[in-house]
Amino acid sequence: DSGVTQTPKHLITATGQRVTLRCSPRSGDLSVYWYQQSLDQGLQFLIQYYNGEERAKGNILERFSAQQFPDLHSELNLSSLELGDSALYFCASSPGGSRTYEQYFGPGTRLTVT
Amino acid sequence: ILNVEQSPQSLHVQEGDSTNFTCSFPSSNFYALHWYRWETAKSPEALFVMTLNGDEKKKGRISATLNTKEGYSYLYIKGSQPEDSATYLCASHLMGSGGSNYKLTFGKGTLLTVNP
Repeated sequence: DSGVTQTPKHLITATGQRVTLRCSPRSGDLSVYWYQQSLDQGLQFLIQYYNGEERAKGNILERFSAQQFPDLHSELNLSSLELGDSALYFCASSPGGSRTYEQYFGPGTRLTVT
Repeated sequence: ILNVEQSPQSLHVQEGDSTNFTCSFPSSNFYALHWYRWETAKSPEALFVMTLNGDEKKKGRISATLNTKEGYSYLYIKGSQPEDSATYLCASHLMGSGGSNYKLTFGKGTLLTVNP
């Protein structure tokens, strides 16, 4: 158990809908990363937040957005969902500072778009 | 090298065999190299993070080396056991502009199967 929690574990929704995935980092970790893993792809980095501010952006679609709240939990919002958005979404947290490259992964949320 | 590449894609070994895999990564703007162990239906588990050229890390029967100048890392497993069966991922952590972290780029992994 990494100490990172993600909810929900599974989500099934229809095309065109909007969903919110939630991540709570390990206690004391300031940084949250979001990743997507589709069937035919490796892990793809989406976005990183550090202490409430966006720090880096990867291959995140415009239909997707994220934020990190004052209590450091983060939400990933996916809208106008398409079949191709079906994937496993991981979040990872990191202490920041001199240990900023350490990452601890949550169990993931499996999204199925029908 | 522009992407993170891992070889081989998959590997079958017998219990007791020693094995190793390779991760190649871009050597410019290098910040750190991660190795993860990922079992089916679980989340990736961090094995090692290495930052310095020549770094060697060891955890039990698993060890890793790093060459940042030529952009490669090796992961070694000594005396493989069936419970070592998993996908081993490496990821390159590049430094962005202004000294901030940029992103982690993952390879597609090496799937190791250890037969009893």
